[in-house]
Amino acid sequence: AQRVTQPEKLLSVFKGAPVELKCNYSYSGSPELFWYVQYSRQRLQLLLRHISRESIKGFTADLNKGETSFHLKKPFAQEEDSAMYYCALYNFNKFYFGSGTKLNVKP
Amino acid sequence: SAVISQKPSRDICQRGTSLTIQCQVDSQVTMMFWYRQQPGQSLTLIATANQGSEATYESGFVIDKFPISRPNLTFSTLTVSNMSPEDSSIYLCSVEDVLSGNTIYFGEGSWLTVV
Repeated sequence: AQRVTQPEKLLSVFKGAPVELKCNYSYSGSPELFWYVQYSRQRLQLLLRHISRESIKGFTADLNKGETSFHLKKPFAQEEDSAMYYCALYNFNKFYFGSGTKLNVKP
Repeated sequence: SAVISQKPSRDICQRGTSLTIQCQVDSQVTMMFWYRQQPGQSLTLIATANQGSEATYESGFVIDKFPISRPNLTFSTLTVSNMSPEDSSIYLCSVEDVLSGNTIYFGEGSWLTVV
């Protein structure tokens, strides 16, 4: 069965510090993985997807099939990065979401 | 990306009543979904809204409790029936945009509080 795990409920860092939000998944096939972000009082929106291998707002995420991970990283956090981040796995027209990590970037 | 509008955005409901949430998309989409996000928890898929046929429900969700309509490719409704405080949650409509690959987009959500 598909499962997405985000072990950290809350992550606090200082502005300018590196950030890594962890995501692990369990899935037997070739997964499609995504990161969604929800800023305060805004809708949930797509941040990035692994197949496009892009960097959005300085964030990157690499799919590591050996470790079944898709961690989200940013070298220098900004205060405007404070938000809820959800890792998601796509399979057969369905998305499975992790429990989310709240990122708090302190000035 | 598709623009998704949900109504109501927020409501306070009496126990035992039912409420229907509407989801309108500005373009035709094949796949529409309804999610629930309970306080402090992640998103849980309730069902896939199928145009012209009965919705496909996930384990733990039944049609009698969460009837769904999908009369066309741009509109869907979710009804939360016979509400109890445990139904207090954010209900999210989402659509899959095939032009963007397997990516889904969300409405702003409908925040229901049952008292």
